[in-house]
Amino acid sequence: ETGVTQSPTHLIKTRGQQVTLRCSSQSGHNTVSWYQQALGQGPQFIFQYYREEENGRGNFPPRFSGLQFPNYSSELNVNALELDDSALYLCASSLGSDSGANVLTFGAGSRLTVL
Amino acid sequence: GQNIDQPTEMTATEGAIVQINCTYQTSGFNGLFWYQQHAGEAPTFLSYNVLDGLEEKGRFSSFLSRSKGYSYLLLKELQMKDSASYLCAVRDSNYQLIWGAGTKLIIKP
Repeated sequence: ETGVTQSPTHLIKTRGQQVTLRCSSQSGHNTVSWYQQALGQGPQFIFQYYREEENGRGNFPPRFSGLQFPNYSSELNVNALELDDSALYLCASSLGSDSGANVLTFGAGSRLTVL
Repeated sequence: GQNIDQPTEMTATEGAIVQINCTYQTSGFNGLFWYQQHAGEAPTFLSYNVLDGLEEKGRFSSFLSRSKGYSYLLLKELQMKDSASYLCAVRDSNYQLIWGAGTKLIIKP
């Protein structure tokens, strides 16, 4: 059973650029959620995809967008990058969207630095 | 607004016991989670509470009181490898996870 994999692991961008982060969910999981984690802080929920549809969104502007593909892998796109977007971006997969413990399995994250 | 409070940092001695508290104010409640996160790594699941009471899992236990909006994570027989951040997260009425900032636990020999 493979876990959650994210790419790239590290990247550096400049203000105004666009970035795409990728996530392969754990085998058998159909739900993917994305989080932004600033240094020394807890994860902040960006959005969640369940069976290719966005079914929850946190307090992030529209320049944060995403996709989920038929194989349940996912992308996070951020346009018009700002300095404050510098953070660790975590992808987590789970089975089902709401019920029970619904434990999240996290990837190792993509560390984005915006200069 | 929604809020989860945890101590920023705690220090304990190898072999001892430590209790990490978490208080929450959220719009609805559908379960509380504890995750462990080592520096530079992904969070990993430790425990889940949805009913009041204590859940025990080896050296780790987690307690929940819904009426008080309170939980704690109890770590026994501390080992150096337990040095990590411990994140408390609550699933709200929209089934979204609201996360605390985490408690950095430092274990000293």
